[in-house]
Amino acid sequence: GIQVEQSPPDLILQEGANSTLRCNFSDSVNNLQWFHQNPWGQLINLFYIPSGTKQNGRLSATTVATERYSLLYISSSQTTDSGVYFCAVERASGTYKYIFGTGTRLKVLA
Amino acid sequence: GAVVSQHPSRVICKSGTSVKIECRSLDFQATTMFWYRQFPKQSLMLMATSNEGSKATYEQGVEKDKFLINHASLTLSTLTVTSAHPEDSSFYICSARERLAGAEQYFGPGTRLTVT
Repeated sequence: GIQVEQSPPDLILQEGANSTLRCNFSDSVNNLQWFHQNPWGQLINLFYIPSGTKQNGRLSATTVATERYSLLYISSSQTTDSGVYFCAVERASGTYKYIFGTGTRLKVLA
Repeated sequence: GAVVSQHPSRVICKSGTSVKIECRSLDFQATTMFWYRQFPKQSLMLMATSNEGSKATYEQGVEKDKFLINHASLTLSTLTVTSAHPEDSSFYICSARERLAGAEQYFGPGTRLTVT
């Protein structure tokens, strides 16, 4: 089955720093989402981005489907950005079943 | 828009009892709902897919007689953990895909189950 790996697994930043999180997947995908899981466990939708580039405030994402990776950029990080970031890809076309990546645990220090 | 709720948010039960978790799409109709399980410091694992009016489909290794799923309407799916044991303690999260929309999923806040 499709494998989804995220890097780095852990990241510690000083407030105000920028970062790039990566999601690699082993096969072509039709759908991809990025999520932020906050300390209470809630998954917050960041981007639905099967291809191309999107921006939302300090966050932006790029998916290069042909090269099987997606990047999430966080600029001017804040302590509230702390948590775990997951990418999820559709396992097989038309199933709508997601496989979640391994996650990146981010801690932003004040 | 696209809000999914779960109830309860936290539950403690005794070994051998059953627990029901509700997942509701509050402002949209959900053709499909999904149930995930997450152990501490791990990723989410899909347990089952629930389609309104039909039987749920379970992932390999998930016991369908233990984790009963009912998707009675376009806004409600329930997961019942039957004869719960301590190893069933976990964080259970549901998600919903909007009817007539794309593949984007919206997630509930999760239910933390502790079996004593």
